[in-house]
Amino acid sequence: QVQLVQSGAEVKKPGASVKVSCKASGYNFTNYALHWVRQAPGQRLEWMGWINTDNGNTKYSQKFQDRVTITRDTSAITGYMDLRGLRSEDTAVYYCARGTMIVNWFGPWGQGTLVTVSS
Amino acid sequence: DIQMTQSPSSLSASVGDRVTITCRASQSISSYLNWYRQNPGKAPELLIYAASSLQNGVSSRFTGSGSGTDFTLTISSLQPEDFATYYCQQSYSAPYSFGQGTKLEIK
Repeated sequence: QVQLVQSGAEVKKPGASVKVSCKASGYNFTNYALHWVRQAPGQRLEWMGWINTDNGNTKYSQKFQDRVTITRDTSAITGYMDLRGLRSEDTAVYYCARGTMIVNWFGPWGQGTLVTVSS
Repeated sequence: DIQMTQSPSSLSASVGDRVTITCRASQSISSYLNWYRQNPGKAPELLIYAASSLQNGVSSRFTGSGSGTDFTLTISSLQPEDFATYYCQQSYSAPYSFGQGTKLEIK
């Protein structure tokens, strides 16, 4: 079945970077987009950006444009989200989610990765 | 950016009840509206895409409708697993924003 499995929880200090991975299985990886969405405690879901897994093109939310990089490794069928300059407000669960290349609904989702930013 | 607003923010109901959740966009988004269910501690699950299309494997008790700025999600007969938080999301233009969520609780 289609599945996305993410890397484990991280604890980082302010100013550090974090890289979260998302390994796909059960479908042709390069036929679908990969999106990243985060959810801070008690907050709504927040879209961060996406990657065309076929050609590597990316689009980011302006909110994260200067701090996030989304990449993929097609041989490893894995996507990555790198967030720099972490601050306490970045404490959240980060999700990857599969999308179509044309219309951006999300499913299925990875299980989520908790990133805690604390001094 | 497009703002998404759901109502109500919370709702109490019983197993077997029929409930409706509303989502409003700050501008017209045609039918580019999707619905998700999120159980506590779990990832969201896609229920409805393109306003009214049922995702494969999702129960037919979920129905979506609407276009333009106003949309609804109706659950015809609540099951125990439906007591969760529901989010709408617009896929009309980036950034692809979500509503604030509607928490459905057992009465």
